[in-house]
Amino acid sequence: ETGVTQTPRHLVMGMTNKKSLKCEQHLGHNAMYWYKQSAKKPLELMFVYSLEERVENNSVPSRFSPECPNSSHLFLHLHTLQPEDSALYLCASSQVSSQGNYGYTFGSGTRLTVV
Amino acid sequence: RKEVEQDPGPFNVPEGATVAFNCTYSNSASQSFFWYRQDCRKEPKLLMSVYSSGNEDGRFTAQLNRASQYISLLIRDSKLSDSATYLCAQPGRLYFGRGTQLTVWP
Repeated sequence: ETGVTQTPRHLVMGMTNKKSLKCEQHLGHNAMYWYKQSAKKPLELMFVYSLEERVENNSVPSRFSPECPNSSHLFLHLHTLQPEDSALYLCASSQVSSQGNYGYTFGSGTRLTVV
Repeated sequence: RKEVEQDPGPFNVPEGATVAFNCTYSNSASQSFFWYRQDCRKEPKLLMSVYSSGNEDGRFTAQLNRASQYISLLIRDSKLSDSATYLCAQPGRLYFGRGTQLTVWP
């Protein structure tokens, strides 16, 4: 079983749909992250959860809503998206301690297309 | 100013060449950095960690220059399979650079 698993791998949705992306980590990490990667742009950090609390929200539109029910699962709920939201959405996890941030591992991503 | 900045390239080199990328950073307190490799339509994967003493792994050498606030990645004897985008990242919230695209041609 891979360390960080994301589902679905591909998603096509209309602008009026509601869908959710799922991420699960099997590494025993205590922090999880959502990133967005658009064509020709750097990876953008969207949300950070550490010990199941959201500790960072980088000015992401409210049509993206994260949920972290426990340290192993992370969701990204999507509603009324725009075509410019089409991108690769990557989940990552890591182990955060007083010494630093270790073992950063990415999932394979969900390629989202909004039509 | 962005946390981490990279020259996006692209770098096109022949097989066997030596190629180097630089990445500048703004947070002078950072003690370590990462180089990630990302293949087309795949997730980034950790290539090397970079500490003040530098790091070498086979054909890959990473260096940290604190005075000038940049990190470098040197690839010797390039292989076709080295073609990818190389991302530098600063730890903590792991801010990434834009990535440098490398193509190695036969």
